[in-house]
Amino acid sequence: DTGVSQDPRHKITKRGQNVTFRCDPISEHNRLYWYRQTLGQGPEFLTYFQNEAQLEKSRLLSDRFSAERPKGSFSTLEIQRTEQGDSAMYLCASSPRPGTGSADTQYFGPGTRLTVL
Amino acid sequence: AQSVTQLGSHVSVSEGALVLLRCNYSSSVPPYLFWYVQYPNQGLQLLLKYTSAATLVKGINGFEAEFKKSETSFHLTKPSAHMSDAAEYFCAVTMNYGGATNKLIFGTGTLLAVQP
Repeated sequence: DTGVSQDPRHKITKRGQNVTFRCDPISEHNRLYWYRQTLGQGPEFLTYFQNEAQLEKSRLLSDRFSAERPKGSFSTLEIQRTEQGDSAMYLCASSPRPGTGSADTQYFGPGTRLTVL
Repeated sequence: AQSVTQLGSHVSVSEGALVLLRCNYSSSVPPYLFWYVQYPNQGLQLLLKYTSAATLVKGINGFEAEFKKSETSFHLTKPSAHMSDAAEYFCAVTMNYGGATNKLIFGTGTLLAVQP
């Protein structure tokens, strides 16, 4: 297991620009989650995929945010027309399918820190 | 609805002293409970989890937590703090979906400082 990976680790952008982040889950994990963490806060749920299907989206996910997982493997999170309030750490997590030994656990990547100037 | 409350945003202990980080949860269904640790500019690492088996759960790095349904608590303890324990700790809850997880609801975190 190589763990969950995220790219890039850091992104600095100007307000109004679009950004895209990538998450590669642990191999064969069919469930993938995105969270956002602002300074001094715990992570907040954004969205959840089971295989390629996006099954839940938080109200935090405005229409400027879109996430995809086209082949049920890696996922991308795009933010359009970034605002300063989007500055945060974006965390990705994955978990294996039900029936496996650790299906109750989410494994987190290192995160992508976004700074919007 | 589920929620988590972590009492004490900052806790400071001396090296070798007992660590106690408090977590209370609210859930209308049987919960799964987790403690994660986060080092600066890193992701979250699982310390331990309660998933309706033993109420006293042992995790990595000498940490343990006890699920107390009557008190709706899941406090994290370690008998003797080490300098390397300095980090931010998050308690999280999710619903028991019969062996699978859904979204985690996190507390606001407790920053643990360890003094030499």
